Amino acid sequence: QQQVKQSPQSLIVQKGGIPIINCAYENTAFDYFPWYQQFPGKGPALLIAIRPDVSEKKEGRFTISFNKSAKQFSLHIMDSQPGDSATYFCAAIGTGNQFYFGTGTSLTVIP
Amino acid sequence: NAGVMQNPRHLVRRRGQEARLRCSPMKGHSHVYWYRQLPEEGLKFMVYLQKENIIDESGMPKERFSAEFPKEGPSILRIQQVVRGDSAAYFCASSPDRVNGEQYFGPGTRLTVT
Repeated sequence: QQQVKQSPQSLIVQKGGIPIINCAYENTAFDYFPWYQQFPGKGPALLIAIRPDVSEKKEGRFTISFNKSAKQFSLHIMDSQPGDSATYFCAAIGTGNQFYFGTGTSLTVIP
Repeated sequence: NAGVMQNPRHLVRRRGQEARLRCSPMKGHSHVYWYRQLPEEGLKFMVYLQKENIIDESGMPKERFSAEFPKEGPSILRIQQVVRGDSAAYFCASSPDRVNGEQYFGPGTRLTVT
């Protein structure tokens, strides 16, 4: 059973566009929601994270929107650049400190 | 401050051999996690360890797989009698504590079983 559902599977945007990646979860015990960026052949790198007591967090061009009642959260990338082309994973931390990862979104930003 | 280190980066084993993957957490981090990533898939949790203790191994196959994090030295993920289905990227992550929640990943070990 997929604890965290992520969509879309892939996304193509023009440079300057605002890709949006969505995640949904079921377990209300989750209390930490990070996003990771992964380039081919590399490990995931922590991008930005949010806790359920806030509805939005912004760091640079990256924004997380969090809807606790709907159990959904999303990543927005403002003014996207070709260098943002990567795979993005959402995650939620559960009991035992393990992360449940989404299945990933492959983002391509066209110059 | 060096990040999470994993070695080897690439490992090729024949079916039936043993694979040993090593992970050195970031300085000051006492929590280590192992994940497996198959092509075109997300990361799947395997095991969570603190120094000399396995805290949660619910994601680890019951047979052939084991993990340790000794008092001194790196964490080791050991796969005995490897099969082709074990071919994957194995990532280690570390965190300073549970309260923060942040996990920092290493570059991974890509295991190929021939």
